[in-house]
Amino acid sequence: NAGVTQTPKFQVLKTGQSMTLQCAQDMNHEYMSWYRQDPGMGLRLIHYSVGAGITDQGEVPNGYNVSRSTTEDFPLRLLSAAPSQTSVYFCASRTSSGKEAFFGQGTRLTVV
Amino acid sequence: AQSVAQPEDQVNVAEGNPLTVKCTYSVSGNPYLFWYVQYPNRGLQFLLKYITGDNLVKGSYGFEAEFNKSQTSFHLKKPSALVSDSALYFCAVLYGSNRLAFGKGNQVVVIP
Repeated sequence: NAGVTQTPKFQVLKTGQSMTLQCAQDMNHEYMSWYRQDPGMGLRLIHYSVGAGITDQGEVPNGYNVSRSTTEDFPLRLLSAAPSQTSVYFCASRTSSGKEAFFGQGTRLTVV
Repeated sequence: AQSVAQPEDQVNVAEGNPLTVKCTYSVSGNPYLFWYVQYPNRGLQFLLKYITGDNLVKGSYGFEAEFNKSQTSFHLKKPSALVSDSALYFCAVLYGSNRLAFGKGNQVVVIP
């Protein structure tokens, strides 16, 4: 199993551009989440999903959209990038019973 | 509101000495608690969890943590630190259907 795979690993965007961060897992996990990591702030939840077709907002959802059309994929869309969205983004998945989350390697995004 | 506090920014310890990383939490109901470790430019790796049962839980790489309900704490411990334990450590609490709240993280530096 590859686990949780995120692409791309690095990205530079100009202010106002849009893009999609990809996340795929091959463990048949029901639950998936997106977090952003900023220095001194830990990880903050952006959006999450408890199954295909079901998504909900987390702690910092503004400026981001998600969809979950399949169990495997959970893309994160930045609608109009802003410098405040410069961060490291992590996708995670877990089973409904196992509780612990498995994380991808992260996407380092810089918005200039 | 659910929250996790890691009061120290950095923990310095000599190799071979005991290592303790502190965590306190605030959550409604029974807590599901986790420790994760992050090495430079990597995703988060699961170390251990407390769901129910024994207050002392053992995890990967010789780490353990003690759940203390009265003090709402979940401190991470290792009897003898290694230089390779130098990393960023996060405490987290699971709440709701799929929401993880993280502490801000502790940088552990093990001095040879």
